[in-house]
Amino acid sequence: GQQVMQIPQYQHVQEGEDFTTYCNSSTTLSNIQWYKQRPGGHPVFLIQLVKSGEVKKQKRLTFQFGEAKKNSSLHITATQTTDVGTYFCAGGTRKTSYDKVIFGPGTSLSVIP
Amino acid sequence: SAVISQKPSRDICQRGTSLTIQCQVDSQVTMMFWYRQQPGQSLTLIATANQGSEATYESGFVIDKFPISRPNLTFSTLTVSNMSPEDSSIYLCSVDARDLKNTQYFGPGTRLTVL
Repeated sequence: GQQVMQIPQYQHVQEGEDFTTYCNSSTTLSNIQWYKQRPGGHPVFLIQLVKSGEVKKQKRLTFQFGEAKKNSSLHITATQTTDVGTYFCAGGTRKTSYDKVIFGPGTSLSVIP
Repeated sequence: SAVISQKPSRDICQRGTSLTIQCQVDSQVTMMFWYRQQPGQSLTLIATANQGSEATYESGFVIDKFPISRPNLTFSTLTVSNMSPEDSSIYLCSVDARDLKNTQYFGPGTRLTVL
């Protein structure tokens, strides 16, 4: 079945350093979604990418969807302590009437002040 | 945006009992999804619930263990039956992207502990 992989599993950075997490799907996706989950919280939707090669930015966050629509990345510039949490990518595949979304294992980000 | 509420927010249950989790959305949605998040793990899709039809279960999940109801376009329930400690997880419902302009929303989750 479809698998979504994500690396690294953990990342510890000094505040101000950059951070990148990579996501790879075993199958071609209709879309890729990114979520952030703070400790004790539920996943919060960040963004969805749909087009091949698409790049979107949200302030210090840059999201990229690969040309083959099988991989994606999230890059955070100059991390802050508020960036702490687990970042999940989720690959969407189109079904008849809905998008089936499979989550990657997540990357846990720690930011050292 | 959508507001999704779940009840109960948490529960501690005895082995062998069953718990029904409710999910309420403040707008009508076509599809609702139930996920499980075991401690320190990612989210695993349990089943997809469409109003008026039987839920579609993912590999490894069966209706006898996780019966789901979807009586209308704003409400769904997930029952965890004959619980064992391995069922201790956070259970989350979410709603389909296309109903809400390509955004997927999650409920706050139900934290279940089985003793």
